[in-house]
Amino acid sequence: GAGVSQTPSNKVTEKGKYVELRCDPISGHTALYWYRQSLGQGPEFLIYFQGTGAADDSGLPNDRFFAVRPEGSVSTLKIQRTERGDSAVYLCASSLTGRVEGIEAFFGQGTRLTVV
Amino acid sequence: AQSVSQHNHHVILSEAASLELGCNYSYGGTVNLFWYVQYPGQHLQLLLKYFSGDPLVKGIKGFEAEFIKSKFSFNLRKPSVQWSDTAEYFCAVIPQRGGYQKVTFGTGTKLQVIP
Repeated sequence: GAGVSQTPSNKVTEKGKYVELRCDPISGHTALYWYRQSLGQGPEFLIYFQGTGAADDSGLPNDRFFAVRPEGSVSTLKIQRTERGDSAVYLCASSLTGRVEGIEAFFGQGTRLTVV
Repeated sequence: AQSVSQHNHHVILSEAASLELGCNYSYGGTVNLFWYVQYPGQHLQLLLKYFSGDPLVKGIKGFEAEFIKSKFSFNLRKPSVQWSDTAEYFCAVIPQRGGYQKVTFGTGTKLQVIP
């Protein structure tokens, strides 16, 4: 596809369970970002990958959250021991490079995670 | 830390009315400014952006925004809205030389255009 693809689009899980959220960026985009959007809020940064490495993970709220991008393309956001407060829409974005000027970041439709 | 304020959370307009959505940011240095739009059921899309130069920026679908440095504002405008403009609009700020990991979004304004 031409855009950023995220799966699943919706995920309902029980408190305490483990979940994985997948992001398939635009082909050739080296930069990949994860954001979290809680109800009534704008997206908040979680983690940034440049290629395979996490260049900035300062937005991850705690050690229950982890993300990987082993081959520099698809990324998986992993949440352990989920809590009700983790319920949110998780957005992925990708861009050609890590620059901002002249470079647009493209967003996926997000995964709506509900922890019950 | 930077912050972005969007004062209008929900705006309802009739078609052909003029639109102005407020955005103020708090940051001590030079910034890049963005407006994103999210149509119902769709992903976030870039509406327009300001990096430098002419403070009046024109974007897609007839939208424009004006950067007023002295007021730390980047308000979005459209002279005549259409029903298809119904969406949520987000203002965003990135410090100059920062990356998309440094972005701060506002809380969004939901615009409802009544035919």
